[in-house]
Amino acid sequence: DQQVKQNSPSLSVQEGRISILNCDYTNSMFDYFLWYKKYPAEGPTFLISISSIKDKNEDGRFTVFLNKSAKHLSLHIVPSQPGDSAVYFCAASGGSGGSNYKLTFGKGTLLTVNP
Amino acid sequence: SAVISQKPSRDICQRGTSLTIQCQVDSQVTMMFWYRQQPGQSLTLIATANQGSEATYESGFVIDKFPISRPNLTFSTLTVSNMSPEDSSIYLCSVETGAYEQYFGPGTRLTVT
Repeated sequence: DQQVKQNSPSLSVQEGRISILNCDYTNSMFDYFLWYKKYPAEGPTFLISISSIKDKNEDGRFTVFLNKSAKHLSLHIVPSQPGDSAVYFCAASGGSGGSNYKLTFGKGTLLTVNP
Repeated sequence: SAVISQKPSRDICQRGTSLTIQCQVDSQVTMMFWYRQQPGQSLTLIATANQGSEATYESGFVIDKFPISRPNLTFSTLTVSNMSPEDSSIYLCSVETGAYEQYFGPGTRLTVT
């Protein structure tokens, strides 16, 4: 049972346009959400996070939106740059038993930004 | 944040053998984690390693298969024992620096033939 789902395996956008990556979760106990970026042959790099008490968090070109009622979050990148091309993982922590440190990951979305 | 290194970066091993992966952090951390990413899959937590205590394993992972050591606050090892082709994965260590975010090492790409 996959508790964090990224239903789009890939996304392609033009440089300068907005990239929107989506993530859905099923476990209502999750209370913290994170996005990671991964380049080939490297480990995931932390990008941005959001607590369940907020609905938006912004850091430069990256904004994460959280819709708790829909159990949905999204990562917006604007403007998109070719260097943003990578696999993006959505992750959640909290879950049952109050395991705040345990991260549950989605399968990732490959973002390609075309020049 | 933290700077994390892993050794080896990749290896090709024969079935039935064991491989020990090392994870080194540039600062002292309480919690270290080991993940596995099988081809086309998400990252899955194998176990949590705290210094001075036994590792805590997630469902589906056992100590006999994935023994872990945590001798101090900057180092940990994960051994993949009696390997089979199904163990071919990327193995990653991570650390938590106290703010929910985890920082990952570059990973060890293991191929079992």
